[in-house]
Order: sequence, then C-alpha cells, then structure tokens
Amino acid sequence: EAEVAQSPRYKITEKSQAVAFWCDPISGHATLYWYRQILGQGPELLVQFQDESVVDDSQLPKDRFSAERLKGVDSTLKIQPAELGDSAMYLCASNPGGADGELFFGEGSRLTVL
Amino acid sequence: AQSVSQHNHHVILSEAASLELGCNYSYGGTVNLFWYVQYPGQHLQLLLKYFSGDPLVKGIKGFEAEFIKSKFSFNLRKPSVQWSDTAEYFCAVNAHLGGNKLVFGAGTILRVKS
Repeated sequence: EAEVAQSPRYKITEKSQAVAFWCDPISGHATLYWYRQILGQGPELLVQFQDESVVDDSQLPKDRFSAERLKGVDSTLKIQPAELGDSAMYLCASNPGGADGELFFGEGSRLTVL
Repeated sequence: AQSVSQHNHHVILSEAASLELGCNYSYGGTVNLFWYVQYPGQHLQLLLKYFSGDPLVKGIKGFEAEFIKSKFSFNLRKPSVQWSDTAEYFCAVNAHLGGNKLVFGAGTILRVKS
C-alpha cells in the first residue's frame, strides 16, 4: 500500500536554530498539505500545494516558516528560527487532486524545541 | 469563523459498551465529512466518509456515522466497543467553499477498559 513518507520522525532542537522536515507524497498525488498538530488539539493546516504552486498559506507564520515543492513532488517545510511554541507534530498529507477532500497522512515529524 | 466542534475530549468505556462521539460543524453549503482515527503510535487513517446520498455511512471496524444536515452534525457510533478501539478520533470537514482542505476538530481520546 502506497504511503506518505516523512522524515525525520523525531527532531529535538534548541530555540533559535533552524529545522527542516521532508515529505514525499503518494506517487501521482497532485495536492500536498502540511498540518501542525499541537498536543491536545486537532491538526491545523499550514500550507497547501497544488503541484508546485501554493494554494493556501494563510495560516503559515511566514516570518519564520517556509515551504516549497519545487518539482511538484516532494516538499520541505522549514522553520528558522525555531521557538518554544513550535513544539508539535508536523503532518504531511496528500490527495490525488480531486475535490472530495480525503487526505492520506504520513506518520508525522515530532518537533521538540528546548 | 468556520469550525468543527467535538463534544467530548476524553471518553472512557468498558468493553461491549456503546459509543457515540459528537461532531458539529459551522459551514453552510455543500460539505464532505470525515472521521479519522489515530491509534497509539500510528498515523491518522480514514475511518469513514460522507459525500452524498444515504446519510448513514458505514466505515471500517463496525463504525458508522449519521449526517444530519439540519443539525450540522456528523456523529460517530459503534454498538459495542473493543479494547482495540482505544485511540484518538477526529472529525473533519471539507467545505467546498473553503478550497478543498480539511478542517479538523480537536479530537476525542477514547479509552476502552478490558
């Protein structure tokens, strides 16, 4: 069964450092999402790509977060500098591009900022 | 603001008890509705979905959900829970006017006592 791949699974960093997460969606999935899940809350959308274009980044803190999907396949989410409040699970999901909204999630990257 | 509300954050049940988890959303118009489950240590996975037609939908592992449009609700049910149903359950809505993205509720942690 095809899966969404994410790395690293766990990342511990000190505040003010840079951190990056990588996601490889299911092959052929045109739409890619990055969600952030803070402990005790549901996932919140950070950014949505359609192929290589950003569709929605309205909730992305652009002063410190950036995301790219240069060739419309895999994607990188970067945080620089990391802050204590960024500690969370970062989830990547993909969708074939249809309008039904069913997402396929990766296992996530858990970030701890000290 | 558009939102998804899950009524209970923690639920504890004994095996064989019946389960109902509430979910309400605030969108008008056409919506697609989902329940996702996250078992301990695993990624989010789809439990069931509603797009159109019969408002009573059946998912995996004996779960079902009923869409009541007049109440903006999509409650999850299972007649008899098992210890293996211990997990966190998320209701999610794709409001077509919202750009084909899922908005999640805060989640309900279900613990089933054996």
